[in-house]
Amino acid sequence: DAGVTQSPTHLIKTRGQQVTLRCSPKSGHDTVSWYQQALGQGPQFIFQYYEEEERQRGNFPDRFSGHQFPNYSSELNVNALLLGDSALYLCASSRTGNTEAFFGQGTRLTVV
Amino acid sequence: AQKITQTQPGMFVQEKEAVTLDCTYDTSDQSYGLFWYKQPSSGEMIFLIYQGSYDEQNATEGRYSLNFQKARKSANLVISASQLGDSAMYFCAMSLLGAGSYQLTFGKGTKLSVIP
Repeated sequence: DAGVTQSPTHLIKTRGQQVTLRCSPKSGHDTVSWYQQALGQGPQFIFQYYEEEERQRGNFPDRFSGHQFPNYSSELNVNALLLGDSALYLCASSRTGNTEAFFGQGTRLTVV
Repeated sequence: AQKITQTQPGMFVQEKEAVTLDCTYDTSDQSYGLFWYKQPSSGEMIFLIYQGSYDEQNATEGRYSLNFQKARKSANLVISASQLGDSAMYFCAMSLLGAGSYQLTFGKGTKLSVIP
């Protein structure tokens, strides 16, 4: 049983560019959450998707957007990249009604 | 708003000894869950243990136990018989359990180093 998988594992982008990160949830999970983890900090909640809709959003600008597909996989899009967007982006999946979230290995984004 | 405080940036423990990682939380809600995650250098967050606010007994999972003191709003993680593979970052987190409250709020973490 594959866990949560994220792609790519590493990415380097230039300021002003756009980036798309991908996440496949654990089998049987229908909810996907995205987190941003800056160096030396704990993860910060970006948003959560359920039934292809954004269910809750953290304190992130509109440059951060997402999508969930019918197979429950998800994408995180970031437009107009800033140097401060450099971070580890973590995807977590869960099953509705369950409190436990399983995390992927993350995508390390570097903006230069 | 919820807040998690981890006051120990780094901890050292001798192999085979027990260690306690501190966590305090702040919320005005009565229904919440408390979590501990381990993050090795590879980056993946590994779930360790969960405690619900209404659980009367402290949670245990193998070598991990959660010392839950509700009145003090603390949820300390105890690792017994430390192993070299326990060296990692450890994060305390919480989530409200009411409808519409699904996000995990994390602390800044504690870096645990196990010494041979």
